Amino acid sequence: QVQLVQSGTEVKKPGASVKVSCKASGYTFSIDNISWVRQAPGRGLEWMGWISTSNGNTNYAQKFQGRVTLTTDTSTGTAYMELGSLTSDDTAIYYCARGGASNFFGMGVWGQGTTVTVS
Amino acid sequence: QSVLTQPPSVSGAPGQRVTISCTGSSSNIGAGFDVHWYQQLPGTAPKLLIYGSTNRPSGVPDRFSGSKSGTSASLAITGLQAEDEADYYCQSYDSSLSEGVFGGGTKLTVL
Repeated sequence: QVQLVQSGTEVKKPGASVKVSCKASGYTFSIDNISWVRQAPGRGLEWMGWISTSNGNTNYAQKFQGRVTLTTDTSTGTAYMELGSLTSDDTAIYYCARGGASNFFGMGVWGQGTTVTVS
Repeated sequence: QSVLTQPPSVSGAPGQRVTISCTGSSSNIGAGFDVHWYQQLPGTAPKLLIYGSTNRPSGVPDRFSGSKSGTSASLAITGLQAEDEADYYCQSYDSSLSEGVFGGGTKLTVL
């Protein structure tokens, strides 16, 4: 079945970086964008950006410009999200999802989420 | 402040109908960008409920329906069930920001 499996829980110090992986299976990786969304404790969903899995083009939310990098490894069907200069405000669950922000079909498959704690 | 505005909470008794509004502007919903709705049960990842403003993915009951008009969209849930108790989010794209945007989320309580 189509699924996205994310890497495990991370605990980081302020100022550090974190890299979360998202491995796709059950479909052809290059046919759909991968988006990243985060959710701080008790808060709503926040869109971070998306990456085209076919050509590597990216679109980042203004809030994260310069601090986030999205990449893919098409040989393994894996997407990555790296966030730098971490502060306590970056403590959140980070989700990857299949689909972009402006496409007709929305984000139809989500990873299980990766908890990142900055302390 | 979210770019898309949703009521913080709605409630209804089992079997009733509730609607959740999502108000945007001329740079997102009003510009013709699709609206998607997600359901998030406690402690789980979001699940796509409505895509392309009015379409249900396979497996989503027809009790859930979406509509869009002007700069707003709505999610309607009929025949409320206890398992519908969750947070609901609308999502679209904003051309002024050039990024995806979410509503602040609405907590549905089934009385």
